This record gives sequence, C-alpha cells and structure tokens, in this order.
Amino acid sequence: NAGVTQTPKFRILKIGQSMTLQCTQDMNHNYMYWYRQDPGMGLKLIYYSVGAGITDKGEVPNGYNVSRSTTEDFPLRLELAAPSQTSVYFCASGRDGEAFFGQGTRLTVV
Amino acid sequence: AQSVSQHNHHVILSEAASLELGCNYSYGGTVNLFWYVQYPGQHLQLLLKYFSGDPLVKGIKGFEAEFIKSKFSFNLRKPSVQWSDTAEYFCAVNQPGTASKLTFGTGTRLQVTL
Repeated sequence: NAGVTQTPKFRILKIGQSMTLQCTQDMNHNYMYWYRQDPGMGLKLIYYSVGAGITDKGEVPNGYNVSRSTTEDFPLRLELAAPSQTSVYFCASGRDGEAFFGQGTRLTVV
Repeated sequence: AQSVSQHNHHVILSEAASLELGCNYSYGGTVNLFWYVQYPGQHLQLLLKYFSGDPLVKGIKGFEAEFIKSKFSFNLRKPSVQWSDTAEYFCAVNQPGTASKLTFGTGTRLQVTL
C-alpha cells in the first residue's frame, strides 16, 4: 500500500523558474493538502481540496497554484520561483479527521 | 483562528528519563487533537490522536497524551525515553467539519543521549 507519494524528493530551482510538485494518493481520500515546513515554524497549509474539482486557499497560498482533476492527484505549481519558497513541501490526504503524509519534497531556490 | 503553542523548542534527555512535552491550543470549541513525530529525514507519522471519550490517549511506541479541556492542553508523555525517540514532535489540532485541515505547533526537537 503506497499511501501518499510525492515526486521529486529533491529539487534545485533558479529564481524565476517554474515547476510542479506531484502528489498521488491511493487511499481514495476526498481531502488532500499541501503544507510547507520551515525550520522553527512548524507546518503551514498552502492549499487544500475537499474533492475532485474543488480547491481552496490555506494560510500561505501566495506564489502557488493547485488543481484537482482526479481524486488521486493533487499537484502543486510554483510559477515564478523565489528564494522565499525554499522549504520542505509535504502533501497529505485525509479521512475521518486524520491526515496521512507523503515523504516530502525538499526544494531549494537559488 | 485557532493556534497551537509548543513551549519546549528543544529538549535534551538521557535514555530512560521521563518525557513530557507541552501543547496548548487556542480554540474554545470542539477540537480533534494529534501528536505527530518526524524522525530525521522522514515524513510525519501519527503518534496518537484524540477525538472524544477517555481523555488519556495511548499511542504507538509507549507514548500517551492527556487532554485537559479546562487548560486547553494536550501534553505528550513517555515514562522512559529511548535513543530511537530522537525526533521532532508536532502537536496539531483541527475542528470537526472543516475538511480536517490541521493547524500545527512549531514543534519540539527531542534529543535523547546515551
């Protein structure tokens, strides 16, 4: 059982470049989330989705976009990478109030 | 908006010492409470959760937590820590019916020495 799978695990971007962080879950959860984790700051919610076709902003959405065309996939798009987006990104899916996390993507913007 | 406070940022303990990590939340209504653990280089894993019922919750690896509603607290405890408990611990809260969105504390880094 794969759970929540994120790709890539590591990435270095130059300022102004764009990229998509992929997230797939095989647990048939309706809820999916993107969080970013910065040292000493805990995890902050970027975007979330309550089902295919429905997304909403979290606490720190600026500079990011998401889409949810299927139950399984919830990609996160960075359009113009900035150094402030250097972080570890976690995708999660949820059921019954509980979240299940992927392995994370460590992104560095230089 | 709800918030979660973890007052211990970095805790260093010797093996076999007892552990208590503090967690307080700000929301006055019904909440679900969680403790997650993140081992070095790994993703978050659920240690334990509280939704309702017995306020003393037992989780994996010998951890437990007590929900004290009057104090808005959900402290994590372990009677005797092991070197393998070295990790970062996050308290989190969500509200029923809010798409299970979690609000996290800033985390406590636990270092267990031999």
